[in-house]
Amino acid sequence: SQQGEEDPQALSIQEGENATMNCSYKTSINNLQWYRQNSGRGLVHLILIRSNEREKHSGRLRVTLDTSKKSSSLLITASRAADTASYFCAPGSADGLTFGKGTHLIIQP
Amino acid sequence: DAGVIQSPRHEVTEMGQEVTLRCKPISGHDYLFWYRQTMMRGLELLIYFNNNVPIDDSGMPEDRFSAKMPNASFSTLKIQPSEPRDSAVYFCASTPSGNQPQHFGDGTRLSIL
Repeated sequence: SQQGEEDPQALSIQEGENATMNCSYKTSINNLQWYRQNSGRGLVHLILIRSNEREKHSGRLRVTLDTSKKSSSLLITASRAADTASYFCAPGSADGLTFGKGTHLIIQP
Repeated sequence: DAGVIQSPRHEVTEMGQEVTLRCKPISGHDYLFWYRQTMMRGLELLIYFNNNVPIDDSGMPEDRFSAKMPNASFSTLKIQPSEPRDSAVYFCASTPSGNQPQHFGDGTRLSIL
């Protein structure tokens, strides 16, 4: 399997603003998943986008996938203090998932 | 339905001691994963099981690490002897199939003195 690489490594924004995180990967995928990790907790699955999909929404989350560029983005709209966490992308292939080092997002009140 | 349950939540021990971490996956999930998370290396896959059988242990750092899954509801990760560089947070995760969302436990924070 292959590792996703998130960018930026850290992001600090004001509450109410939108937050965008990017993910790049190297080889073919079946799907790409995004996870959130709050401090001291395990990862929580947020959204899965299949390789034949280009965009997917879930509440305030919007994920895009560009397989030609081997990249994905996660947009969180109208951010809240509770969105402060680390966010990981995980490209999925027949070999399973691997995780990058994440984007650490801080929402300033 | 209960999520993935890991124990203990925290473990502090001296180097050279044996450490055993435990995991109960979600009932009905055929896949179980063990990960290690550190600031330097991020989240690393150590080993995963399918239907209690180890499939890929290439991430296990060395022979001091071993993992077992004696039945569908229980797995252990053992370190013997432990070393300070093993200090990390160890996560267990399970999923119904290999490519589907994984459900993580809250981890075991291990400190080797």
